[in-house]
Amino acid sequence: AQTVTQSQPEMSVQEAETVTLSCTYDTSESDYYLFWYKQPPSRQMILVIRQEAYKQQNATENRFSVNFQKAAKSFSLKISDSQLGDAAMYFCAYRSATTSGGYQKVTFGTGTKLQVIP
Amino acid sequence: DGGITQSPKYLFRKEGQNVTLSCEQNLNHDAMYWYRQDPGQGLRLIYYSQIVNDFQKGDIAEGYSVSREKKESFPLTVTSAQKNPTAFYLCASSGRHDGYTFGSGTRLTVV
Repeated sequence: AQTVTQSQPEMSVQEAETVTLSCTYDTSESDYYLFWYKQPPSRQMILVIRQEAYKQQNATENRFSVNFQKAAKSFSLKISDSQLGDAAMYFCAYRSATTSGGYQKVTFGTGTKLQVIP
Repeated sequence: DGGITQSPKYLFRKEGQNVTLSCEQNLNHDAMYWYRQDPGQGLRLIYYSQIVNDFQKGDIAEGYSVSREKKESFPLTVTSAQKNPTAFYLCASSGRHDGYTFGSGTRLTVV
């Protein structure tokens, strides 16, 4: 079974600075997707960024980028120029690309709470 | 705009009661899911459904039931058999190669 580990329960960053959130995962599969989700105080889960395992290039979405190390099974999220609105819980997630009956279960980490200090 | 609607936002249950949480999507997604979120824990899968009239148990299905009579709808019933139902419940849907789209959640409290 796949597992996703986020070893940092809480992180803080000064506004306008850069912060990196860590995520490791365990899988025996070679084809999969990785995601970072943001959950602000409203508790609405928002997809931040997505990475396909077969792509070597790291995904980037504006101020958000990932460092995907497939051999090390590591998938960290870097937030540049942090803003107050970035304060939230961040969840790392794994999804198999194997279409076993069409269902692809997503496994979530336990989350990292990010505080942005003005 | 397409999305997922969960209702109600807050729900209170008395001991011994069954309550039903609503989840509706207009994204034309085949798959729908129910997750439970407790403080300090990640999301845990309760039930999922790939197609109409079919659903499967997730990791913590005991004390819950679902139905999938329409593609757009996937209601979750929290039964009296669920001994610790106070939690935040999230509904999600997905296409074949996508991540999830989530609803805004329902906070259930036992009174």
